[in-house]
Amino acid sequence: AQSVSQHNHHVILSEAASLELGCNYSYGGTVNLFWYVQYPGQHLQLLLKYFSGDPLVKGIKGFEAEFIKSKFSFNLRKPSVQWSDTAEYFCAEYNQGGKLIFGQGTELSVKP
Amino acid sequence: DTGVSQDPRHKITKRGQNVTFRCDPISEHNRLYWYRQTLGQGPEFLTYFQNEAQLEKSRLLSDRFSAERPKGSFSTLEIQRTEQGDSAMYLCASSGRTSVQETQYFGPGTRLLVL
Repeated sequence: AQSVSQHNHHVILSEAASLELGCNYSYGGTVNLFWYVQYPGQHLQLLLKYFSGDPLVKGIKGFEAEFIKSKFSFNLRKPSVQWSDTAEYFCAEYNQGGKLIFGQGTELSVKP
Repeated sequence: DTGVSQDPRHKITKRGQNVTFRCDPISEHNRLYWYRQTLGQGPEFLTYFQNEAQLEKSRLLSDRFSAERPKGSFSTLEIQRTEQGDSAMYLCASSGRTSVQETQYFGPGTRLLVL
């Protein structure tokens, strides 16, 4: 069955530290990948998405992700995190039927 | 606000009762999705509609669950004879017309607690 794995359940960083959250997907065909963020008390919001083209995708708020087909990975990065980046981050892949398959999420805590 | 809206935001019910949730998608979107999220997990797909047609249902959607989208606009998700295991956040999302790859926009969710 198609699946998405996120390696880190909880990451704690200090402000200005660099961030990399891991994501691996299982489907080997045409991939459509997403990172969503859920700030405390808010709904899921799209950070960035990859459908095709340049494997380095830039999203909102300084986030970027790199699609590496050979590694089945789509890791999320940010060079310098802020306290306001404290949130839960979800990686997701489209299933061919159009539904999203989500990873289990990574909780990011940024210490001021 | 032109985003996806859900009602109610919170629901507490006793085991065995029926509950119904409503989702209003972004107005020009023809696809509507229901997901369920439990603590510490990512959202899991339940079902989706294209216009008024229900095109796919997950194995997670037991016979006690039913969803409708009667006029291709808002949708309802009903759970009959609720069980404690139904306690979760129920999320609705919608996406547009041009491609199945359209970004899904999520609502705030309905948090259900079954006592």
